[in-house]
Amino acid sequence: DAGVIQSPRHEVTEMGQEVTLRCKPISGHDYLFWYRQTMMRGLELLIYFNNNVPIDDSGMPEDRFSAKMPNASFSTLKIQPSEPRDSAVYFCASNGRDNEQFFGPGTRLTVL
Amino acid sequence: GQNIDQPTEMTATEGAIVQINCTYQTSGFNGLFWYQQHAGEAPTFLSYNVLDGLEEKGRFSSFLSRSKGYSYLLLKELQMKDSASYLCAVRDGSDSWGKLQFGAGTQVVVTP
Repeated sequence: DAGVIQSPRHEVTEMGQEVTLRCKPISGHDYLFWYRQTMMRGLELLIYFNNNVPIDDSGMPEDRFSAKMPNASFSTLKIQPSEPRDSAVYFCASNGRDNEQFFGPGTRLTVL
Repeated sequence: GQNIDQPTEMTATEGAIVQINCTYQTSGFNGLFWYQQHAGEAPTFLSYNVLDGLEEKGRFSSFLSRSKGYSYLLLKELQMKDSASYLCAVRDGSDSWGKLQFGAGTQVVVTP
């Protein structure tokens, strides 16, 4: 398996633009997580899905953020409109019914 | 909610031993995890403890005391490649395979 796949790896955009981050979890994993990492706040869970259903979105900062998982092999995290304070590394992770959570390589987002 | 505390930084010499402590206060508990994260990379899984005691895996060992809300990660025979951030994470008890809450991470610097 190729592991968790994220795209793009880097994104630079201007304030106010829409940003869409993409994730393909490991095949067979039924849990998918979106995290955000910054120097100030560390690694924060934004939202997670089980069997494509959002279970806990309490970490989503505000209405500008939304996440979807239309099928078992694809998820998106969208920010609209983006702001400079959204600049961070966004990780997608997945795990099956065991104890190891696998992280994707991350998307480094810069909002100017 | 959950409160997870670990030291910000530790420095040790190549070949030495370093112990990274983690204390937590949780409303639910279903396992404690340690992850390693090299600069610019994604976190990778190191260990999992759900019962009290010591789990050993090569040069790395992890200990848990649930009654004390305490864990440590022990790194033996330090190598330069062990320079990284080490993240302690607690799994919320409400979902057997789900949500992890991460500490801020301990930056370990290995010197020659």
